[in-house]
Amino acid sequence: DAMVIQNPRYQVTQFGKPVTLSCSQTLNHNVMYWYQQKSSQAPKLLFHYYDKDFNNEADTPDNFQSRRPNTSFCFLDIRSPGLGDAAMYLCATSQRPGTYEQYFGPGTRLTVT
Amino acid sequence: AQSVTQPDIHITVSEGASLELRCNYSYGATPYLFWYVQSPGQGLQLLLKYFSGDTLVQGIKGFEAEFKRSQSSFNLRKPSVHWSDAAEYFCAVGLGGGSNYKLTFGKGTLLTVNP
Repeated sequence: DAMVIQNPRYQVTQFGKPVTLSCSQTLNHNVMYWYQQKSSQAPKLLFHYYDKDFNNEADTPDNFQSRRPNTSFCFLDIRSPGLGDAAMYLCATSQRPGTYEQYFGPGTRLTVT
Repeated sequence: AQSVTQPDIHITVSEGASLELRCNYSYGATPYLFWYVQSPGQGLQLLLKYFSGDTLVQGIKGFEAEFKRSQSSFNLRKPSVHWSDAAEYFCAVGLGGGSNYKLTFGKGTLLTVNP
């Protein structure tokens, strides 16, 4: 089945230690999104890639970066995680931006110690 | 300010009872409207969507939603709730064009189902 895969499902990192979260998709979608979801809150868009074009949300901290080496993969890099970055990170894809719905992966739960 | 409001943070219903989850939006134009469901520790699954046309839309798992332009609402309904429906439900609106398109979520409604 076509799907959105996130690895790992659970990640523990230390305060200030860089961490990378991975997302892959078999849907061949053009757009890949990263959301941050803190406990009992709505998902918040961090940034997205439309093909190779990177679109950053204005309020996304510089501590968060992303890479998309090819259509299938997208990475979220947190350069110096703080305690406030502990959250569920959701990857989503859509065929194109605009009217198309987004398909979500299962998420990666990040814990910062 | 543009916003998506889910007035009910937590709803408890008995299994077999009917359900209605409320969603209101505040935008100048009619946005694209979605309902997603999230089980504990899982990602979001699309239940249904409204772009245009018939204002009553059918989704998966027996859910439906009705778009009411006059009330700026897109409420989710199910006639008979099952225990497996216990989850968090998010209303979302999509606005903007091209790379400016953005999906904005409400804060969610947590559904508890009593046996």
